Amino acid sequence: GNSVTQMEGPVTLSEEAFLTINCTYTATGYPSLFWYVQYPGEGLQLLLKATKADDKGSNKGFEATYRKETTSFHLEKGSVQVSDSAVYFCALNEKDGGFKTIFGAGTRLFVKA
Amino acid sequence: GAVVSQHPSRVICKSGTSVKIECRSLDFQATTMFWYRQFPKQSLMLMATSNEGSKATYEQGVEKDKFLINHASLTLSTLTVTSAHPEDSSFYICSARGREVSYEQYFGPGTRLTVT
Repeated sequence: GNSVTQMEGPVTLSEEAFLTINCTYTATGYPSLFWYVQYPGEGLQLLLKATKADDKGSNKGFEATYRKETTSFHLEKGSVQVSDSAVYFCALNEKDGGFKTIFGAGTRLFVKA
Repeated sequence: GAVVSQHPSRVICKSGTSVKIECRSLDFQATTMFWYRQFPKQSLMLMATSNEGSKATYEQGVEKDKFLINHASLTLSTLTVTSAHPEDSSFYICSARGREVSYEQYFGPGTRLTVT
């Protein structure tokens, strides 16, 4: 079945550091890939998405590229801020899977001033 | 973008009582709604999928008699936790998918249920 694996956290960085959160997936077809962010006590917000191979999703300085050859969708940001502290979820959604969104375990990011 | 709301945002109930959580799509018609459960510091686990006007499809291990899901209209789905117990305390999140062809789901802000 479909699944998403992302790096375990927590990840602790200093402000302005470079961020990478790894995400790989397993899917039978051609899924769309997403990164969601969850701030403390809140619901999920879509951060970015990519719907086909080689697409790059980007938003608020974050970006991720859909790599079919490595089945990956790593999240990157060049310079993190304290306000980026949150939990980040990698996810996939596939028509063959009934449009269910499958989430990774989540990676908690702490950014220190 | 599309907006999904949930009500209430927080609820505290006594053990043995039932509680209903509403999920509404505010500016689009949701042909499919999903209910997720999130334990503290864990990921979201899909509980069930509901299509408007039909019975919900529950994931393996989810008790359908305990978690009643109704999707009576294109803008409203409800989750009723029956005879709640402390172990049902959790963060419940709904999401909705529009009628148009799209793989994107829009998520509600979540409802925190505490059973005392």
